[in-house]
Amino acid sequence: GQQLNQSPQSMFIQEGEDVSMNCTSSSIFNTWLWYKQDPGEGPVLLIALYKAGELTSNGRLTAQFGITRKDSFLNISASIPSDVGIYFCAGNRGSNYKLTFGKGTLLTVNP
Amino acid sequence: NAGVTQTPKFQVLKTGQSMTLQCAQDMNHNSMYWYRQDPGMGLRLIYYSASEGTTDKGEVPNGYNVSRLNKREFSLRLESAAPSQTSVYFCASDHYTFGSGTRLTVV
Repeated sequence: GQQLNQSPQSMFIQEGEDVSMNCTSSSIFNTWLWYKQDPGEGPVLLIALYKAGELTSNGRLTAQFGITRKDSFLNISASIPSDVGIYFCAGNRGSNYKLTFGKGTLLTVNP
Repeated sequence: NAGVTQTPKFQVLKTGQSMTLQCAQDMNHNSMYWYRQDPGMGLRLIYYSASEGTTDKGEVPNGYNVSRLNKREFSLRLESAAPSQTSVYFCASDHYTFGSGTRLTVV
């Protein structure tokens, strides 16, 4: 199946720092989604992107749909302890029903 | 206002046993999905249902069957469980809402 390369695999940061993570693919995607997963829970959708070049914010989170349609970025500003968790990117190509997920970025925030 | 409800939350099976994982959504969404999540991996799609009465294979369908019983319910069945099916299983509704998962161990 298609591969999404998500990086970094993990990050250890201090509270108040900004965070950046990204997903890349060799294939073009039509939609990019970013999720956060807390321990023992299912993923929660943070931001959905539907158009190349689109930049969307949700509070301290900002995500962009890369202009080449092969990548996407998520930034978190002024991190706080509750930002701890695993962040996943996901995308779909032609079908609206099949999402491909990245392997996740584990974020740890030191207070 | 439950969203997506999965049962059971935990299950231990012996190799060769069968079981059905249940999923129900109350958001009137057309599409529903079953994923599995293994350590260090993202979620992988097992089966999906675009609408009531239809089901299709995802990335890793072998060893599983599904039933879209009605618009609300989408079940996943393991006919003969294998240790390789030890995983956390998530049901989702319309890509946007996930259940809290079923943690399955096959011994």
